[in-house]
Amino acid sequence: DQQVKQNSPSLSVQEGRISILNCDYTNSMFDYFLWYKKYPAEGPTFLISISSIKDKNEDGRFTVFLNKSAKHLSLHIVPSQPGDSAVYFCAASEVRGSQGNLIFGKGTKLSVKP
Amino acid sequence: DVKVTQSSRYLVKRTGEKVFLECVQDMDHENMFWYRQDPGLGLRLIYFSYDVKMKEKGDIPEGYSVSREKKERFSLILESASTNQTSMYLCASTAFGTGHLYGYTFGSGTRLTVV
Repeated sequence: DQQVKQNSPSLSVQEGRISILNCDYTNSMFDYFLWYKKYPAEGPTFLISISSIKDKNEDGRFTVFLNKSAKHLSLHIVPSQPGDSAVYFCAASEVRGSQGNLIFGKGTKLSVKP
Repeated sequence: DVKVTQSSRYLVKRTGEKVFLECVQDMDHENMFWYRQDPGLGLRLIYFSYDVKMKEKGDIPEGYSVSREKKERFSLILESASTNQTSMYLCASTAFGTGHLYGYTFGSGTRLTVV
């Protein structure tokens, strides 16, 4: 059973607009959440993370929002650029009482059109 | 910067061959992982290791084995390659207990095609 779900396989956005990528999770014990970005023929690269004690974390054009009650997080990219076109993976980790392995969603392919 | 190096970017192997995928990291990380990425299925964990000689099964270990004889090297072995093992294979590493803070560092991947 999937513990981390990215229900949108793809998203298309115009350059300069906001991109919103969504992620849902089922395990209430998750306490860290991360976003990765992956270009074709390259490994995923770490983008941004958030602890469960926060509801927002911002890094430049990237902001992650966490809604614990809804078990939902989202990644906002503002403004979107063509170079942001990639597959984005959401990941979650349960640190207490475990090794804290990351559990990944299936990914959302973002296309930013000029 | 942490570097995770996978020995081959592209490999083509025949059905039934024994295949070795090598991964080396240069930051003295304890934890190493092997994933495969397939369209629509995301990243699926095959095996991981927390220390030399240690290995743990991930979500899809069938048809694979691993070897960790040295801390910096984690090898994935396909005992008898099959066409359904055609995939992108990704190696990753992280220092013990920090994966949730800083994420994993991934290699560039090996695109394996089994014919």
